[in-house]
Amino acid sequence: DAGVIQSPRHEVTEMGQEVTLRCKPISGHNSLFWYRQTMMRGLELLIYFNNNVPIDDSGMPEDRFSAKMPNASFSTLKIQPSEPRDSAVYFCASSQQGAGETQYFGPGTRLLVL
Amino acid sequence: DAKTTQPPSMDCAEGRAANLPCNHSTISGNEYVYWYRQIHSQGPQYIIHGLKNNETNEMASLIITEDRKSSTLILPHATLRDTAVYYCTALGFGANNLFFGTGTRLTVIP
Repeated sequence: DAGVIQSPRHEVTEMGQEVTLRCKPISGHNSLFWYRQTMMRGLELLIYFNNNVPIDDSGMPEDRFSAKMPNASFSTLKIQPSEPRDSAVYFCASSQQGAGETQYFGPGTRLLVL
Repeated sequence: DAKTTQPPSMDCAEGRAANLPCNHSTISGNEYVYWYRQIHSQGPQYIIHGLKNNETNEMASLIITEDRKSSTLILPHATLRDTAVYYCTALGFGANNLFFGTGTRLTVIP
C-alpha cells in the first residue's frame, strides 16, 4: 500500500493568494483527518471526515479555511486568502473507521506564506 | 476532552531504557491511550496503544496505571534512531477527544 499521499510537499505563496492542499487516504480507510503543526501549538486537529462527511470542524481556525472530501479517495484543504500566520506543516491522516482507531499520517505539506 | 500532558524533553543514554511518562487524568472509559512518534519533520508514526492492560509490541511497551490516569511508554534499549518527538494521546469515538499537543522530545545520547 502506498500510504497516505499528500501534495504538494512544499508550497511557498504570497499573502492573499489561495492555497489548496491535497490528500489521498489509504484505500479502504473510511476516516480522514487534517492537522496543522506549528512550533508554538504543536499538532492540532483541524477537521475530521467519516465516510466523506465532515464530523467535526471545530478546529478550523476561521472562515478562510475550508475542507472538502468529494469521494473516498480524495480530500482538499483550502486557505483563501492566505496569511503569514498560516505558515505551518499540514498533515493528513486516515484510519479504517473513526477517531478511535490507529491513524496513519502522510508526509505533510510545508506551507510558507510570505 | 481527554487532554494529555507530557514533559517537553528527556534525554536517554544509548542502550538504556527510555521511560516516557504521560498524564491523562481526564480520560474516559472508552478512550484508548495511543502513542505516536515523529522523527524530524516526517508524519507521526504509530507506536502502540492500549485500553487498560499493559501492552508490548516489537517497538515498545506500554504501562497503564490501574486508575488509567497515567501511562508510560518504554523503549527497552534506546538507539540513536529513537531520537524523536513522542506524542501521547487519548482516542475515543469522537473527534473532540483528539489532542496531540507538543509531545516529549526524546534525545538519545551516544
